[in-house]
Amino acid sequence: DGGITQSPKYLFRKEGQNVTLSCEQNLNHDAMYWYRQDPGQGLRLIYYSQIVNDFQKGDIAEGYSVSREKKESFPLTVTSAQKNPTAFYLCASSIAGTGVYEQYFGPGTRLTVT
Amino acid sequence: GEDVEQSLFLSVREGDSSVINCTYTDSSSTYLYWYKQEPGAGLQLLTYIFSNMDMKQDQRLTVLLNKKDKHLSLRIADTQTGDSAIYFCAGRGSQGNLIFGKGTKLSVKP
Repeated sequence: DGGITQSPKYLFRKEGQNVTLSCEQNLNHDAMYWYRQDPGQGLRLIYYSQIVNDFQKGDIAEGYSVSREKKESFPLTVTSAQKNPTAFYLCASSIAGTGVYEQYFGPGTRLTVT
Repeated sequence: GEDVEQSLFLSVREGDSSVINCTYTDSSSTYLYWYKQEPGAGLQLLTYIFSNMDMKQDQRLTVLLNKKDKHLSLRIADTQTGDSAIYFCAGRGSQGNLIFGKGTKLSVKP
């Protein structure tokens, strides 16, 4: 089955620790995205990548880092510099370009930092 | 850049129609989208409309687009309890990303 997976579903970390969220897709999509969702805030773009070995900052990139070494994978690292990391994180992928291309979303990872 | 606004809550009775409204600022987005999010899950594309269309119907869903007022709406006919979810409208950003509204939480009462 083609799709996009995120793991783990729930993640707990202590303040001051870096943590990496996994995102994998087997849809052969060039473009991948990371969004953060907070209650009442909608989705905000953290980073995106239109092609392997290239990525761009979104609206709230501070305290986050990404890599895109393989087409299938776009891991997100939440660093200790992120002031308020507790949130629901969503990864998405799509065909690159500006057509109607649908963004497919993973099931999300809920990160809690205490 | 694009800004998308939605009301946060809507409550309807089962069997009634639901209308979720959205306004946007950037009229250059070629497509406008409606996504649905069920509790604790990712988003799924419900429908989209091309910017040169006024209306699109897909089974129980009707999308209306008023370009002059930059207003988009989603009508769900015969709303069911399974339609309870958060609904997001979205426009396309300049880099291919989606710009979402804050989402409208639809509650359907039996």
